[in-house]
Amino acid sequence: GENVEQHPSTLSVQEGDSAVIKCTYSDSASNYFPWYKQELGKRPQLIIDIRSNVGEKKDQRIAVTLNKTAKHFSLHITETQPEDSAVYFCAASIGQAGTALIFGKGTTLSVSS
Amino acid sequence: GAVVSQHPSWVICKSGTSVKIECRSLDFQATTMFWYRQFPKQSLMLMATSNEGSKATYEQGVEKDKFLINHASLTLSTLTVTSAHPEDSSFYICSARPSGGVGYTFGSGTRLTVV
Repeated sequence: GENVEQHPSTLSVQEGDSAVIKCTYSDSASNYFPWYKQELGKRPQLIIDIRSNVGEKKDQRIAVTLNKTAKHFSLHITETQPEDSAVYFCAASIGQAGTALIFGKGTTLSVSS
Repeated sequence: GAVVSQHPSWVICKSGTSVKIECRSLDFQATTMFWYRQFPKQSLMLMATSNEGSKATYEQGVEKDKFLINHASLTLSTLTVTSAHPEDSSFYICSARPSGGVGYTFGSGTRLTVV
């Protein structure tokens, strides 16, 4: 079945720096890759997603890149702010989008001012 | 936007009792819902896929007789934790993908504490 690896597990940056979180997946049929931000005890909040027919997507300070050949995708946050501090999860659809998502283990991002 | 309502948001029960968690899609029909469990400081682990009108598909290692899933209508899926034990204490969250949409909608989660 699908397996999603996420690194690093923790990431500390200074305000204004960039943060990069990387994920790899195993199922070559996966075609939907969302990134979520989760606050303690709350539901995951979608911050950006990408489908397999696109290599890169950007939304203001947040971008996601996808390398289907290597089966990895990355989250890039530029000009980090303290409010970006949270737990971030990558996920991949099991095969086609519409099936369940498999999540990475999460990255705790700390942005210090 | 698509909304999934999940209840209760938290519940405390005694060991040996059963607890039912409901997820309703409020403005779309959800033929499929997904149930996840999240232990503290861990990721969301897929427990089962709930299909309207048919049996749920459980992930390896998830006891189907302990975690009963019913998806009797296009807008409601329920997860019943039977004979709950303290190790079942966790954050349970459901998800659905509106047909025609791309993203997934999550319920607000249920914090279950078994004492």
